[in-house]
Amino acid sequence: QKEVEQNSGPLSVPEGAIASLNCTYSDRGSQSFFWYRQYSGKSPELIMSIYSNGDKEDGRFTAQLNKASQYVSLLIRDSQPSDSATYLCAVKGWGKLQFGAGTQVVVTP
Amino acid sequence: DTGVSQDPRHKITKRGQNVTFRCDPISEHNRLYWYRQTLGQGPEFLTYFQNEAQLEKSRLLSDRFSAERPKGSFSTLEIQRTEQGDSAMYLCASSFDRVGDEQFFGPGTRLTVL
Repeated sequence: QKEVEQNSGPLSVPEGAIASLNCTYSDRGSQSFFWYRQYSGKSPELIMSIYSNGDKEDGRFTAQLNKASQYVSLLIRDSQPSDSATYLCAVKGWGKLQFGAGTQVVVTP
Repeated sequence: DTGVSQDPRHKITKRGQNVTFRCDPISEHNRLYWYRQTLGQGPEFLTYFQNEAQLEKSRLLSDRFSAERPKGSFSTLEIQRTEQGDSAMYLCASSFDRVGDEQFFGPGTRLTVL
């Protein structure tokens, strides 16, 4: 079992709709959770961090964390073609980040 | 405010050769991380430094890999006797040691071993 699991996709989302991405993790001691966006051929770009149970909103992005269920999610509202990318869930253990394999999102006009 | 920089951006080498990559972190960041990413996978942790001290090294990292951060500023990652399986994107990230510890990535060095 991988330590951080994501659906690989691709997740096809109509322009203007909400994209919903999910991530589960195995280490109950994890305290910090991150979402990175990665365009093809580029490096990961940090878009959200969340540390407490509940929701955290930043612009069109909302991260949700449920430590009891070991679950973290990302919602992208009003999806735009520029949101087409791979979204990586990352969980911080002591020092290092552990990443999922990423979910590819394709926003269709 | 400059971000994390890496050099070179691309490296093509023949099997058996040694290669060295450099990473310059964000100036006020005291932590520096190396990751490796292959196609279709998330980045995989290799090693990290706090200031000049190497605090953790992945068990997956063979003895052919070595990293240094001699003055707590830039870091180098050397791969000796490269193999085709070393072909990947090598990513450097930096952070400031505080609650949350958000890591910011450089552009990466893409290594191709022929």
